[in-house]
Amino acid sequence: DGGITQSPKYLFRKEGQNVTLSCEQNLNHDAMYWYRQDPGQGLRLIYYSQIVNDFQKGDIAEGYSVSREKKESFPLTVTSAQKNPTAFYLCASKTELDAGELFFGEGSRLTVL
Amino acid sequence: AQSVTQLDSHVSVSEGTPVLLRCNYSSSYSPSLFWYVQHPNKGLQLLLKYTSAATLVKGINGFEAEFKKSETSFHLTKPSAHMSDAAEYFCVVSIYTGRRALTFGSGTRLQVQP
Repeated sequence: DGGITQSPKYLFRKEGQNVTLSCEQNLNHDAMYWYRQDPGQGLRLIYYSQIVNDFQKGDIAEGYSVSREKKESFPLTVTSAQKNPTAFYLCASKTELDAGELFFGEGSRLTVL
Repeated sequence: AQSVTQLDSHVSVSEGTPVLLRCNYSSSYSPSLFWYVQHPNKGLQLLLKYTSAATLVKGINGFEAEFKKSETSFHLTKPSAHMSDAAEYFCVVSIYTGRRALTFGSGTRLQVQP
């Protein structure tokens, strides 16, 4: 079945450590996104990518980095520069940047100890 | 600029009674509108979408929504709530501006009482 796979589901990190969240899709979608979700808030866009080797900052990119070396993969690194990284992170994709609905992964919950 | 407002952060209904989740949007362009549902610790699942075709849109699990341009609304309804409908619901507006931007509402948590 086609879909988006995020891993790990749960992750604990000590302050000062970088962590990388994986996002893989087999939907052949061009556009991929990372969102952050905090309790009682909607989703906020961290980064998005339209094509391989290209990505753009979203609304809250500070303290995060991404890469898009393959069409199927869009990993997110939460760096030590992110002041408040504890959150639920959602990866999504769609067929193209300018149309269609988003398909979401199951999310990764990051907790900083 | 575009924005979306979900008018209720929490809605509680009894099982078997109607559900109404309210969403208003603002946009300078013709929008596409979506409703998503999220169960705890899960990703978002598309319930339905409006993309300038029929104004009454039917979705999965018996949900539907009506696009009312004059009221800039896209309220989500279901005739009879089921316990499994308890979840968080997000209204999303999407507008083509060369690079389509999606804006999420802050969510409405639906509780269904037995």
